[in-house]
Amino acid sequence: GESVGLHLPTLSVQEGDNSIINCAYSNSASDYFIWYKQESGKGPQFIIDIRSNMDKRQGQRVTVLLNKTVKHLSLQIAATQPGDSAVYFCAENGAPGSARQLTFGSGTQLTVLP
Amino acid sequence: DTAVSQTPKYLVTQMGNDKSIKCEQNLGHDTMYWYKQDSKKFLKIMFSYNNKELIINETVPNRFSPKSPDKAHLNLHINSLELGDSAVYFCASNSGGRETQYFGPGTRLLVL
Repeated sequence: GESVGLHLPTLSVQEGDNSIINCAYSNSASDYFIWYKQESGKGPQFIIDIRSNMDKRQGQRVTVLLNKTVKHLSLQIAATQPGDSAVYFCAENGAPGSARQLTFGSGTQLTVLP
Repeated sequence: DTAVSQTPKYLVTQMGNDKSIKCEQNLGHDTMYWYKQDSKKFLKIMFSYNNKELIINETVPNRFSPKSPDKAHLNLHINSLELGDSAVYFCASNSGGRETQYFGPGTRLLVL
């Protein structure tokens, strides 16, 4: 079956540095991707999304990059703060015409060091 | 003002019991979902309902039965609980199609 995976299960960064979290996907027909943040004891929270007709999308302190050639997307967090410590998931929402379901990656634990 | 709420937040029960988890959303969404998150944080969809109609039913034991009394509620009933059912269960909703899903806070189920 199709899968979405992350390269690194854990990532530690110094406060103030930039963070980059990577994700590989295998369904080349997927055209919508989402990043979620899950803090300890809470549900996943939407951060940013991107559709396959874009290569880059920016939000507040976050940027998502999509490389369809190698089926890879990344989440960049600028000036990482202690509150950014969480598990980050990428998810793909299937190809057009597919069932309405999200396929999640395995998650990356981001730890921000003081 | 909780958008997607679940009750209870914690559920500890004995093997073999039957339990229910409730979910409500006040976002006006017409599609709701149940996910299971295991101890390694892996999230997997279990069910999806659109306007009270089941549209996704992944390979889940038939001990799990979702019920949607109206489009704002999607409850999950679990019969004959097993140790392997211990996990965090998340409810989510969206406005249908392939739009962003909004998640509830989760229900932490522990089967002893």
